[in-house]
Amino acid sequence: AQKVTQAQTEISVVEKEDVTLDCVYETRDTTYYLFWYKQPPSGELVFLIRRNSFDEQNEISGRYSWNFQKSTSSFNFTITASQVVDSAVYFCALLYSGAGSYQLTFGKGTKLSVIP
Amino acid sequence: GAGVSQSPRYKVAKRGQDVALRCDPISGHVSLFWYQQALGQGPEFLTYFQNEAQLDKSGLPSDRFFAERPEGSVSTLKIQRTQQEDSAVYLCASSLGLAGADSYEQYFGPGTRLTVT
Repeated sequence: AQKVTQAQTEISVVEKEDVTLDCVYETRDTTYYLFWYKQPPSGELVFLIRRNSFDEQNEISGRYSWNFQKSTSSFNFTITASQVVDSAVYFCALLYSGAGSYQLTFGKGTKLSVIP
Repeated sequence: GAGVSQSPRYKVAKRGQDVALRCDPISGHVSLFWYQQALGQGPEFLTYFQNEAQLDKSGLPSDRFFAERPEGSVSTLKIQRTQQEDSAVYLCASSLGLAGADSYEQYFGPGTRLTVT
């Protein structure tokens, strides 16, 4: 069974602070894919990143960075120097692929509020 | 280029009515997915198409839910005899669906918010 846990339900930070969103996953697959999505108040899920299980290199994209650690089954997301526009719900997701199907299993999301 | 579009954006239905929700995937995307998102929750998988073939419908909550993609492009999710527990946002996503890890990236539409009264 696949499972994604985002233990932080809501986080509030003051603008320019750094913030880390936690994600822990469970899977029996040896090859798997992890994702982060952003859902702003408008409601549309915006793709941020895909990480393959066989590539443990951490990734940085501007103010965003991701720390993937297979040993602890975690895929954490850090926003550096947060801005008000970062306010949104962030979802971590795990791709299940098997029996000819592909589906994402999402965590419950972390609501991030960046206060000016 | 154009992203995934969905219509209507909002739908109010009286309990017992049938509804049809439409999804236009990104052009050229082979795979299409439907998810249901309840308030304050993450999206949950409903069904998956590869071209016109529905390869997985394990997430459909009851036989009142039916999805189709007859020409391998536009898809319709139909809910018959709607119930209050069907109130949710219905999200459609598409992906390239070809070989390679890039094809697993799913791009979502804005969703249809269904309210059953």
